[in-house]
Amino acid sequence: ETGVTQTPRHLVMGMTNKKSLKCEQHLGHNAMYWYKQSAKKPLELMFVYNFKEQTENNSVPSRFSPECPNSSHLFLHLHTLQPEDSALYLCASSQGQGASETQYFGPGTRLLVL
Amino acid sequence: AQSVTQPDIHITVSEGASLELRCNYSYGATPYLFWYVQSPGQGLQLLLKYFSGDTLVQGIKGFEAEFKRSQSSFNLRKPSVHWSDAAEYFCAVGRPTGTASKLTFGTGTRLQVTL
Repeated sequence: ETGVTQTPRHLVMGMTNKKSLKCEQHLGHNAMYWYKQSAKKPLELMFVYNFKEQTENNSVPSRFSPECPNSSHLFLHLHTLQPEDSALYLCASSQGQGASETQYFGPGTRLLVL
Repeated sequence: AQSVTQPDIHITVSEGASLELRCNYSYGATPYLFWYVQSPGQGLQLLLKYFSGDTLVQGIKGFEAEFKRSQSSFNLRKPSVHWSDAAEYFCAVGRPTGTASKLTFGTGTRLQVTL
């Protein structure tokens, strides 16, 4: 595997379910990100992890719980979601060397909350 | 706070025609500016970026962008569009967060290419 991978690619869940999204980067990067992409809205940054430490939480509801056990893996734990949480969730990584660096994106997980 | 405006939601061009996608930003300091492209079912791929130096930046796939500080703009151009360029294009401005970067994106411009 190369680049940034995300599993699953598609997920349907009920509002009472608990599920997790997984992201893995094979680029040797130190920073990882979760974004939410909803129709007709800009990509929204949710969380930033740098060297496994969370450096940004963009006022995300607590029903989204991130976990970064090491610099290569990032999880997004989901529980008691709402239908408006249906979206494409994108993971990205970067070297962690400042604002000019490139972020590399995974293909995303398409989430549908019923 | 930083923000990005992409005034064109949807653009249609003929194959072989030139293309310009508009981007305006708001940021208090020296901006770090990016253009990303997203094909259906894919993540975002970087086309080009600007953070200092020459204001005309060359990117992949024949794209270029020009940074104009006086107009707070970073428009993307391509002299001759190919059908494979049909995708959604996102402009973004970045700022540091720790040693990582925080990107603020525009709403995107969907490009359709007619043959």
